Amino acid sequence: DAMVIQNPRYQVTQFGKPVTLSCSQTLNHNVMYWYQQKSSQAPKLLFHYYDKDFNNEADTPDNFQSRRPNTSFCFLDIRSPGLGDAAMYLCATSRDELAGRTDTQYFGPGTRLTVL
Amino acid sequence: AQSVTQLDSQVPVFEEAPVELRCNYSSSVSVYLFWYVQYPNQGLQLLLKYLSGSTLVKGINGFEAEFNKSQTSFHLRKPSVHISDTAEYFCAVSESGGSYIPTFGRGTSLIVHP
Repeated sequence: DAMVIQNPRYQVTQFGKPVTLSCSQTLNHNVMYWYQQKSSQAPKLLFHYYDKDFNNEADTPDNFQSRRPNTSFCFLDIRSPGLGDAAMYLCATSRDELAGRTDTQYFGPGTRLTVL
Repeated sequence: AQSVTQLDSQVPVFEEAPVELRCNYSSSVSVYLFWYVQYPNQGLQLLLKYLSGSTLVKGINGFEAEFNKSQTSFHLRKPSVHISDTAEYFCAVSESGGSYIPTFGRGTSLIVHP
């Protein structure tokens, strides 16, 4: 089945130790998103790729970086995790067929990050 | 820019009772509307969506929603809930002629009691 896969599902890191979360998709969607979700809150968009074009949200801290080496894979790098970065990180994809069209977002199961 | 309001942060209900989760949006242009469900420690899953056409939209798991343009609402309903419907529900809106990035509401926690 076509899907969005996130690895690992649970990640524990130490304060200040860099961590990388990965996302892959078999849907061949051209748009990929990274969201941060804290407990009992809506997902907060960090950035997204439209094809190869990177789009950063204005309030995303510089501590967060992303890479998309090809259509299928996208990575979230947290350079120096702080206690406040502990959250669920969700990857999502969508297919934007025409400029301005919005299709359904398909979400991965998420990676729960713990910072010690 | 669009916005979404989910007024109820928590909705408790007994099993087999009907439920309505409210969603209101604000936008100056035509919109696409979505309801997603999130079970504990999982990602979001699409329940249903309105893009155009019939204002009554049926989704998975027996849920339906009605788009009301005059009231700028897209309330989610289910005539008889099950324990397994206990989850977080998110309403989302995007502008049909604008940004493809959806805006999410804060979420409503549906708690189904036996």
